[in-house]
Amino acid sequence: EVQLVETGGGLIQPGGSLRLSCAASGFTVSSNYMSWVRQAPGKGLEWVSVIYSGGSTYYADSVKGRFTISRDNSKNTLYLQMNSLRAEDTAVYYCAREEDSGYDLWGQGTLVTVSS
Amino acid sequence: DVVMTQSPLSLPVTLGQPASISCRSSQSLVYSDGNTYLNWFQQRPGQSPRRLIYKVSNRDSGVPDRFSGSGSGTDFTLKISRVEAEDVGVYYCMQGTHWPKTFGQGTKVEIK
Repeated sequence: EVQLVETGGGLIQPGGSLRLSCAASGFTVSSNYMSWVRQAPGKGLEWVSVIYSGGSTYYADSVKGRFTISRDNSKNTLYLQMNSLRAEDTAVYYCAREEDSGYDLWGQGTLVTVSS
Repeated sequence: DVVMTQSPLSLPVTLGQPASISCRSSQSLVYSDGNTYLNWFQQRPGQSPRRLIYKVSNRDSGVPDRFSGSGSGTDFTLKISRVEAEDVGVYYCMQGTHWPKTFGQGTKVEIK
């Protein structure tokens, strides 16, 4: 079955760090463009970061310098390392596969809550 | 960034009746390759988003044919020919032509 499963969310204090994982099955992460998209509670969708099949990475201005996207080809897994977390980073984080410049496959999401 | 503006933001509909959502972009979404990368997503309550439409009018696999997309340039529309109970949720347009990809604010579809 083709699917994405995110893990790693939780409650973290402001300034802290967290690493999210997204395990893929049924397709190869490294052959696709893979993104993280987040959704603050009760709000809309916001693109966060992308890693291209060639390895190039890009970030939204709101997370640049604090978040790092990566992948482990041997584990077919996508990651998002989040440092210097702020209250405004509180959201459900989805990993998503890009196809035709849109997202054709989404994970179930993992909730990150930044609060003291 | 390209701003995507949806209307209405709330759409009460009667079961079996049609529904229409508008999405306008602040810039043309025609890419240099001739394609227009406009997507529509459905997010049912408590679920992840699901793509319905890509490149303006192409339905994703498994999407019922009561959903259709149309438009060009900066003006796009998602239509549901006959609303069913399972269509309740929030619908988002998203442009993939310009970097970064941006979403509309969402339109909440509910049953009257």
